[in-house]
Amino acid sequence: GQQLNQSPQSMFIQEGEDVSMNCTSSSIFNTWLWYKQDPGEGPVLLIALYKAGELTSNGRLTAQFGITRKDSFLNISASIPSDVGIYFCAGQVTSGSRLTFGEGTQLTVNP
Amino acid sequence: NAGVTQTPKFQVLKTGQSMTLQCAQDMNHNSMYWYRQDPGMGLRLIYYSASEGTTDKGEVPNGYNVSRLNKREFSLRLESAAPSQTSVYFCASRDNQGEQFFGPGTRLTVL
Repeated sequence: GQQLNQSPQSMFIQEGEDVSMNCTSSSIFNTWLWYKQDPGEGPVLLIALYKAGELTSNGRLTAQFGITRKDSFLNISASIPSDVGIYFCAGQVTSGSRLTFGEGTQLTVNP
Repeated sequence: NAGVTQTPKFQVLKTGQSMTLQCAQDMNHNSMYWYRQDPGMGLRLIYYSASEGTTDKGEVPNGYNVSRLNKREFSLRLESAAPSQTSVYFCASRDNQGEQFFGPGTRLTVL
């Protein structure tokens, strides 16, 4: 089946630093999604990417859909303490198909 | 709009007991999903329902059953709980663009 490898598994950074995480797949996806999960809550959608090469921003977050359709990355600039949480990538072959999730990146931001 | 709601938030069961996790969404979405989340494993799909009256197995369906009671509600049942089913369970629904919206989760412990 499809697999997503997300890295790094965890990150410990200082407030104000930039963060980068990525996902790679053994197969092609036509949609990439990035979610954030706060402690004790369900995942919340941050950014959705629908075209290869697409670069999309949402405030301090920027995500790109790799041109091979097999990878995506998420950058967070000037991190703040409320960025703490688990970030998940998810890939989808078609809009009606199931999501495949990465294992998550646990982000800790030290004030 | 409440979005996706789940009950209960927490539950402790003894091995062999049964229970039903409830999920409802008020966004008029056709598709609904049940996931489990375990440390280091991301979100794994248990069952999903593409529309009212249909259900399909996901990645890890063994030990679970589901019912799509109507368009709003999608319940997950554990007939005979096992310690391996200790997990956090998330329900989600999907809009027409393929974006999934998650509930707050049910934290289940099976002793």
